[in-house]
Amino acid sequence: GAVVSQHPSRVICKSGTSVKIECRSLDFQATTMFWYRQFPKKSLMLMATSNEGSKATYEQGVEKDKFLINHASLTLSTLTVTSAHPEDSSFYICSARGAGSPYEQYFGPGTRLTVT
Amino acid sequence: TQLLEQSPQFLSIQEGENLTVYCNSSSVFSSLQWYRQEPGEGPVLLVTVVTGGEVKKLKRLTFQFGDARKDSSLHITAAQPGDTGLYLCAVESNAGNMLTFGGGTRLMVKP
Repeated sequence: GAVVSQHPSRVICKSGTSVKIECRSLDFQATTMFWYRQFPKKSLMLMATSNEGSKATYEQGVEKDKFLINHASLTLSTLTVTSAHPEDSSFYICSARGAGSPYEQYFGPGTRLTVT
Repeated sequence: TQLLEQSPQFLSIQEGENLTVYCNSSSVFSSLQWYRQEPGEGPVLLVTVVTGGEVKKLKRLTFQFGDARKDSSLHITAAQPGDTGLYLCAVESNAGNMLTFGGGTRLMVKP
């Protein structure tokens, strides 16, 4: 299957700082990328959908100014958590879908963010 | 209410037992996917079912899509500790541009 990577896999930051998480599709061009958030022992919750070269579409309740998403190329999307607070601590997972895979999204390994 | 209701939410069984996980909805879907997620990792796609009544097998895992395409089940035969994980069903939106996940079933298989 297709490979999606995330970097970093784990990050600890201080409250008030910003953190950038990268999501890369390694062997295919991702026309659409998705960002999810997952709390411990819970399912994935979609935060936003981004298409290459256009603004991300955020789900209801997700602050677009707090979670900045950039999908600058067909292989890279970034999520920046701005002015992070402890309640932003979570597991962030991206997924990517290429034009040729109408049903399937390929998930990254996730990034665990801890805000102290 | 969630679009997809998974049951049970948590299941702890002994190695060698069989189990079934359910994914139910009142909506009709063109396709449904099952994922397995291990702690600290992203979900991994197990199967996609697209035809009502379809049955797919993946070694000891059997997936079935309901005739009306509103529900699905995952049956594991002779569970092993390596099957431990979070099992998620998911469907695409009508626009076909995003996945919605069920609440998940957390399976623990004890040796």
